[in-house]
Amino acid sequence: GDSVTQMEGPVTLSEEAFLTINCTYTATGYPSLFWYVQYPGEGLQLLLKATKADDKGSNKGFEATYRKETTSFHLEKGSVQVSDSAVYFCALSTHSNSGYALNFGKGTSLLVTP
Amino acid sequence: DVKVTQSSRYLVKRTGEKVFLECVQDMDHENMFWYRQDPGLGLRLIYFSYDVKMKEKGDIPEGYSVSREKKERFSLILESASTNQTSMYLCASSPTRDRGRVAQYFGPGTRLTVL
Repeated sequence: GDSVTQMEGPVTLSEEAFLTINCTYTATGYPSLFWYVQYPGEGLQLLLKATKADDKGSNKGFEATYRKETTSFHLEKGSVQVSDSAVYFCALSTHSNSGYALNFGKGTSLLVTP
Repeated sequence: DVKVTQSSRYLVKRTGEKVFLECVQDMDHENMFWYRQDPGLGLRLIYFSYDVKMKEKGDIPEGYSVSREKKERFSLILESASTNQTSMYLCASSPTRDRGRVAQYFGPGTRLTVL
C-alpha cells in the first residue's frame, strides 16, 4: 500500500544552519505530497504542498520539490531560526475503496539552538 | 482563515466511561477526519466523513464510533474508554473539490488520558 518514510529525529541544528529533512514515498498513481508542521502544544499546520511531478512547494523559507524519479519530497531551508523548532510531517494523499485520505510519516523533531 | 475547533484541549476520563470528542469547522467543508497521534507511530486515521450522516472507517476504527448530524460538526465517541485509548486526538477538515489534491486543516487537538 501507499506509505511515507521520513528520516528519524531528533535533528538538532544551530541557528542559521541549513536544514534538510528527507522524505520518500511509495504510491500507486500520482499522489499529491504535503509537509505539515506541529509546534509544541498545537495541532498540525500545512507548510507546503505539491500536486504533480517537478512542482516546488514553498512557504516561510521552506521548499520541497516533488521528484517522481526518486519518489522523494525532501524539505529544505537555507537558514533555520529558533522559532522553526517543531515536529515536521511528510504526507501523501492516498486513495482506497473508501476514498481519499492523508497518509503521514512518523514525524521528524527539529530543535534549533541559539 | 479556516478554523477547526475541538471541544477540549485536555480531558481525563476513567476506564469504562463513554467519551465524546467534538469538532467544529467554520468553512463549510464537506470532508472531516479524526486521527490519533502517538509517539513513534505518527498520525493514524480513525474515521472520516464525506457528507452529513456519512462515515467511513479509517485504519484503526476499533473501539470508536462517529456521528455527523450537521455539516460543520463531527463527533468521535469512545463507547467504553480503555487505557490504550490514551492519546492525542486530532480533527481535520477539507473541501470536497479534488479530494486527492487539497490539504486538510487541523484543530489544536485534544489530549485524552484514560485512568
